[in-house]
Amino acid sequence: EDKVVQSPLSLVVHEGDTVTLNCSYEVTNFRSLLWYKQEKKAPTFLFMLTSSGIEKKSGRLSSILDKKELFSILNITATQTGDSAVYLCAVGRYRGSTLGRLYFGRGTQLTVWP
Amino acid sequence: DTGVSQNPRHKITKRGQNVTFRCDPISEHNRLYWYRQTLGQGPEFLTYFQNEAQLEKSRLLSDRFSAERPKGSFSTLEIQRTEQGDSAMYLCASSQKSDLGNTIYFGEGSWLTVV
Repeated sequence: EDKVVQSPLSLVVHEGDTVTLNCSYEVTNFRSLLWYKQEKKAPTFLFMLTSSGIEKKSGRLSSILDKKELFSILNITATQTGDSAVYLCAVGRYRGSTLGRLYFGRGTQLTVWP
Repeated sequence: DTGVSQNPRHKITKRGQNVTFRCDPISEHNRLYWYRQTLGQGPEFLTYFQNEAQLEKSRLLSDRFSAERPKGSFSTLEIQRTEQGDSAMYLCASSQKSDLGNTIYFGEGSWLTVV
């Protein structure tokens, strides 16, 4: 059965801390792994990873994929209160030559205290 | 606004009534997805379309649920004879098929409460 597991489910830190969110997966016909940020509304796209070992960065956020060990991490450095959200990991399968349905984890609820 | 648009944003209905949600994807996107999300859970896949063709449908989608995309543009999701367990946020997403990889973008969601 295809599944995506995120850990921890909940994390509370203070502003300025660095956090690492984990995502492991077992999905047949893997194509890509995506990270989303959700703040009480629709998920907003952060990263899409398709190749192992290549880090993607956007400001204080970065992510990397390990296709051999079937996991990804999302790092957030110098956290701010605006980073408080649920971070969702999703894995997409091939459908023909492109991305089909996404399998989501339950998310990590990150709370950043001032 | 050129993002994915959903309406209504909120719907309260009595058990047994039918409800319909509409999704307008990003204009150049030919793939359209429906997901359902309940509190504390990640989105669950319901179905998706490429143009007007429904390519995949989840086993979660009972015969009370039907989705259409008649002209390959907007889509509707209808739930017949609603039950309290249908209360959730219904998310629509769209993507563009391309060799560069196609990220899926979500709309704001339609909240359904069945009382």
